[in-house]
Amino acid sequence: SQKIEQNSEALNIQEGKTATLTCNYTNYSPAYLQWYRQDPGRGPVFLLLIRENEKEKRKERLKVTFDTTLKQSLFHITASQPADSATYLCALPFNAGKSTFGDGTTLTVKP
Amino acid sequence: DAGVIQSPRHEVTEMGQEVTLRCKPISGHNSLFWYRQTMMRGLELLIYFNNNVPIDDSGMPEDRFSAKMPNASFSTLKIQPSEPRDSAVYFCASSFSHGELFFGEGSRLTVL
Repeated sequence: SQKIEQNSEALNIQEGKTATLTCNYTNYSPAYLQWYRQDPGRGPVFLLLIRENEKEKRKERLKVTFDTTLKQSLFHITASQPADSATYLCALPFNAGKSTFGDGTTLTVKP
Repeated sequence: DAGVIQSPRHEVTEMGQEVTLRCKPISGHNSLFWYRQTMMRGLELLIYFNNNVPIDDSGMPEDRFSAKMPNASFSTLKIQPSEPRDSAVYFCASSFSHGELFFGEGSRLTVL
């Protein structure tokens, strides 16, 4: 069955460093993959979408890569700030476009 | 646009009572999704509508759950009768043609 795995539930890094989050998937070849940010008590907020024919996508300090051979996406936040602390979710359009979410990685950036 | 609007934000009820959660999607969006989020199971898709028509309700846990979308600007998720294991945060999200999802702030349900 199709499965999404995000690396460790929690990631702690020092301010200014680059945070790297991983999303792995199995038994599927998605046309695209999305990343969302969720703050406590709030709904997820869309950050980036990367398509299968795109290797990399950037938005300000965010960078997403998509390796369809490895079935993996990496999400990078460069020059991280305490305000980047949140849970980050990847989502894939399993089953006719329905977005299925990973369990998320909670990032804490310490000053 | 005000974004996706959900109500109530918080609901505390007793086991056996009926619960109705409401959602107003973003105007112009043609897809609407109901998700449930718990610590144990993460964010689970319950049902989604396309152009007001339920397309897939395979995520609905059981017959106690029902969802309707009578028009393009309103949807409800009903639980009857509610049980303590239904306690969760329920999110509504809308999108245009399976693009990015716009989530509401959620309805936190506690069933005692």
